[in-house]
Amino acid sequence: DQQVKQNSPSLSVQEGRISILNCDYTNSMFDYFLWYKKYPAEGPTFLISISSIKDKNEDGRFTVFLNKSAKHLSLHIVPSQPGDSAVYFCAARGAGTYKYIFGTGTRLKVLA
Amino acid sequence: EAGVVQSPRYKIIEKKQPVAFWCNPISGHNTLYWYLQNLGQGPELLIRYENEEAVDDSQLPKDRFSAERLKGVDSTLKIQPAELGDSAVYLCASSLSLAETQYFGPGTRLLVL
Repeated sequence: DQQVKQNSPSLSVQEGRISILNCDYTNSMFDYFLWYKKYPAEGPTFLISISSIKDKNEDGRFTVFLNKSAKHLSLHIVPSQPGDSAVYFCAARGAGTYKYIFGTGTRLKVLA
Repeated sequence: EAGVVQSPRYKIIEKKQPVAFWCNPISGHNTLYWYLQNLGQGPELLIRYENEEAVDDSQLPKDRFSAERLKGVDSTLKIQPAELGDSAVYLCASSLSLAETQYFGPGTRLLVL
């Protein structure tokens, strides 16, 4: 049972446009969410996080939106750059557990 | 500051052979994690250490997998004997403490033939 789902395995976007990566979850007890970026042959690197008490968190070109009623979060990258091409994982943590459940990842390709 | 170091980066073994992975976390990080990442999947937690104590090993297949973190710094993950289905990337991560951001190493890619 996949508790964190990234239904789009891949996404292509033109440089300078917005990239929107989506993530759905099923467990209403999740209270903290993160996005990681992964380049080939490297480990995932932390990108941005959001607590369930917020609905938006912004860091430069990266913004994460959380819709708790829909159990949905999204990562917006504006403007997209070729260096953003990577696999993006969303992860969720249950309240008091400190155990992260990762999605299957979305491969973003930003076309120059 | 050096990141999480893992070795080897790649390992090819025959089934039924033993294999070991080593991880050196970021200096000062008390919490260490081992994750398994199968192809096309996200990382899945195998075991978590707080200093030298394994505090969450519920996902570790204890019949063939073992791990240790002597002195609360470096850690090794062992598989004995390896099976074909163990082919995957084994990631190590560390964090200052339980609630802090996890920093991942580059992983060890294991291929069992």
